[in-house]
Amino acid sequence: DAGITQSPRHKVTETGTPVTLRCHQTENHRYMYWYRQDPGHGLRLIHYSYGVKDTDKGEVSDGYSVSRSKTEDFLLTLESATSSQTSVYFCAISEERPEDQYFGPGTRLLVL
Amino acid sequence: GQQVMQIPQYQHVQEGEDFTTYCNSSTTLSNIQWYKQRPGGHPVFLIQLVKSGEVKKQKRLTFQFGEAKKNSSLHITATQTTDVGTYFCAGRRNTDKLIFGTGTRLQVFP
Repeated sequence: DAGITQSPRHKVTETGTPVTLRCHQTENHRYMYWYRQDPGHGLRLIHYSYGVKDTDKGEVSDGYSVSRSKTEDFLLTLESATSSQTSVYFCAISEERPEDQYFGPGTRLLVL
Repeated sequence: GQQVMQIPQYQHVQEGEDFTTYCNSSTTLSNIQWYKQRPGGHPVFLIQLVKSGEVKKQKRLTFQFGEAKKNSSLHITATQTTDVGTYFCAGRRNTDKLIFGTGTRLQVFP
């Protein structure tokens, strides 16, 4: 497996609280992605990054922000968590955009 | 927008039976990828198809990309219990983002 870690692996939080998920890679890959996975929807792209401080929105970006201050770290922030953001969040990396993506182990987030 | 549909949603088979999942796009794709996710795990890249009509094999798995580059299939011959999981296709149009299908969950009974 590629060197990707996600933290925390599990989190329970309350509606209205801020939450930050971290993705860390040791592969020095240029591209990093945040997906959410929900039953019946497969994997949906939230945000992605194509370099340090270079990010763009995916198909379900509302309510989420991201930051990438270092090549190895990509942070996903829920400014004010809502119950609809209960999901499994996966980080992925790729060396070049058309290439295959390597996924991290995922973070299970429950918003009460 | 670009959509990638995948059928069936679920498939239960007896060990030794064959299995096929189909992926259909509303637009022509530049390439298509397939991933496998074991229960409780993360998606793992299996293969990428780029050329029209391309067929690739990995042991008991056969992947096809349609002539019009709008559909793809994954066929598993003689399923084993180790094949259990959800199979996702993911298509890309030109340099657009990768769009994942909804996945087919395969259950194999011994």
